[in-house]
Amino acid sequence: AQSVTQLDSQVPVFEEAPVELRCNYSSSVSVYLFWYVQYPNQGLQLLLKYLSGSTLVESINGFEAEFNKSQTSFHLRKPSVHISDTAEYFCAVSEWSGYSTLTFGKGTMLLVSP
Amino acid sequence: DAGITQSPRHKVTETGTPVTLRCHQTENHRYMYWYRQDPGHGLRLIHYSYGVKDTDKGEVSDGYSVSRSKTEDFLLTLESATSSQTSVYFCAISEEWSGGGSEQYFGPGTRLTVT
Repeated sequence: AQSVTQLDSQVPVFEEAPVELRCNYSSSVSVYLFWYVQYPNQGLQLLLKYLSGSTLVESINGFEAEFNKSQTSFHLRKPSVHISDTAEYFCAVSEWSGYSTLTFGKGTMLLVSP
Repeated sequence: DAGITQSPRHKVTETGTPVTLRCHQTENHRYMYWYRQDPGHGLRLIHYSYGVKDTDKGEVSDGYSVSRSKTEDFLLTLESATSSQTSVYFCAISEEWSGGGSEQYFGPGTRLTVT
């Protein structure tokens, strides 16, 4: 069965600084990978996903993540964060099988301050 | 935004009482999911449905039951609520099976407190 580890529960950063949120997964088969974002008092929404093909995937608001199979990682990065990026970010994984459910990490709270 | 509503949005109940949470969608998506979110645990899958009357257990299904009599509604029932079931509950839907890479769309959540 798959599992996800988000190494940082909280990441404080100043506005306009770069940020990286780390995600590692464990699986014995090929996987799909996702980043979801949760703004305060809201449900989760998809930020970006890797299904196949190019290992670098981008979101419309400047985030990107790179699938690294050898390191079993899918870290999320942004070169310059805004106050509005303050939210909780969840990495999730599912295996390439017809019956795999989506497994979420415990989340990383990104705190952007002026 | 995906058309997903959850009711109630907030509920306080006493230990031992039954509680039913409702998820309603207007997207006609086949798959529906119930998660609970707790600090330090992220989201954990309780139950899911792959069609009307077709449901299965997730990671943390003990103490919960579900029903889906119509495509648009997925009910989560706590037969006898316990304090350990105090949590925020999220409903999600997907057009295709999420394990196959399909995006899940989440409702706004229900905050349940069991005293």
